[in-house]
Order: sequence, then C-alpha cells, then structure tokens
Amino acid sequence: QQPVQSPQAVILREGEDAVINCSSSKALYSVHWYRQKHGEAPVFLMILLKGGEQKGHEKISASFNEKKQQSSLYLTASQLSYSGTYFCGTLDQGAQKLVFGQGTRLTINP
Amino acid sequence: EAGVAQSPRYKIIEKRQSVAFWCNPISGHATLYWYQQILGQGPKLLIQFQNNGVVDDSQLPKDRFSAERLKGVDSTLKIQPAKLEDSAVYLCASSFGREKLFFGSGTQLSVL
Repeated sequence: QQPVQSPQAVILREGEDAVINCSSSKALYSVHWYRQKHGEAPVFLMILLKGGEQKGHEKISASFNEKKQQSSLYLTASQLSYSGTYFCGTLDQGAQKLVFGQGTRLTINP
Repeated sequence: EAGVAQSPRYKIIEKRQSVAFWCNPISGHATLYWYQQILGQGPKLLIQFQNNGVVDDSQLPKDRFSAERLKGVDSTLKIQPAKLEDSAVYLCASSFGREKLFFGSGTQLSVL
C-alpha cells in the first residue's frame, strides 16, 4: 500500500519554512525520508522508528506519529540547496519491503 | 567507501528487444533492491533480495522481467521483450538490514 504525501508541490522563497506530510493506512514500523534532485538518485535524509521520536538533520527535522500512521518532514529557513523532490518510504510492521510515496516537489526561489 | 555501482547509465532500445542491467551493491550489504521509477512518480519496488534469496517480487512483471543475484553479491535485471511502458529509470539500491538505502545512479531506459 503506497503512502500518500501532501502537498504534491511547494514553491517557497529562500528562508521560508515548509512541511511535507506522509500518511499510511497500515501500522508502520518505520518511515524513511529521501531527497532526489533532478537526474540524480534519491539520497537518504533520515529514518524514524515507531516510538514518536523526532529527528533532525541540519535545519531539516521529522516526526513520526505511529498512532496516526503519519510522519511529517519540517524544513526551516529553507536554502536553495533544499530544492528537489522529497519521498517518504514506509515499512509496515511485519513487512520487509520499503514502499515509497509519490513524492513532493519542492522549489526554492531566491 | 564505494557506493552502489550500476551500468549502463543510459540505454535506448526498440520495443520487443531485450535489455539487461547490472548492479554491484555496497560490500557487506545483504539486501539488494531493484526499483522502477517512471518520470514524475516515486520509485516502485520490482524485486528485493536478501543475500541471494528473493524476499519480495510481487510487483515484478514475471512474463517479461527476470532478476538474479548470484552468490549474494552482484545482480542483473533483464527485460525481454521490452514494451514502450517500460521506459523509466531503473534504480538499484542496497542496505544493511532494515536501515537506510543507498541508491546507485540508475539506468535510464528509453524504449522506442
């Protein structure tokens, strides 16, 4: 079951904040976040395990609410380098395969 | 540390022809994945190996796609015969267990 991401696209000015959401209809074991720039392979950002933890990576952080089966990615004071498509990948409890959402395209303008 | 190696980088073929992609994962990574990424979409898992055994191939079109991972290291993905809708980027990834995935640069396939 593919997770659903929202919004599908975001356009920001440099320095603004953004939130990308990822939700699943299944109980989750973990959520992965990746960023993919045009013509390149996805690059790992962070992984969140069940337990409601929040992680950070520079000015990018994420939370995981296992009861709601949702995760959110927070980008604060966005930089031009943050532009790209963000994918969440979910691992169901008991499953072994990582299923990716359809992606959220983030555009940062100067 | 060497990354995931894939070849070729680009491939153009005509429909009904066959094509093969090669992947060499990061040393020590037991789990290897092949994803298909159609333009504008998220990666779709085709097949997942644990060592040289198949964990999941539920979305692999087995009438035309095949994959193998000999000796639990390198892997090849083959399409025979190719269809127009197979045009996509084929991404190989590897991981240590359920941890983060490391992706290769991918093979961009165009079927004419």
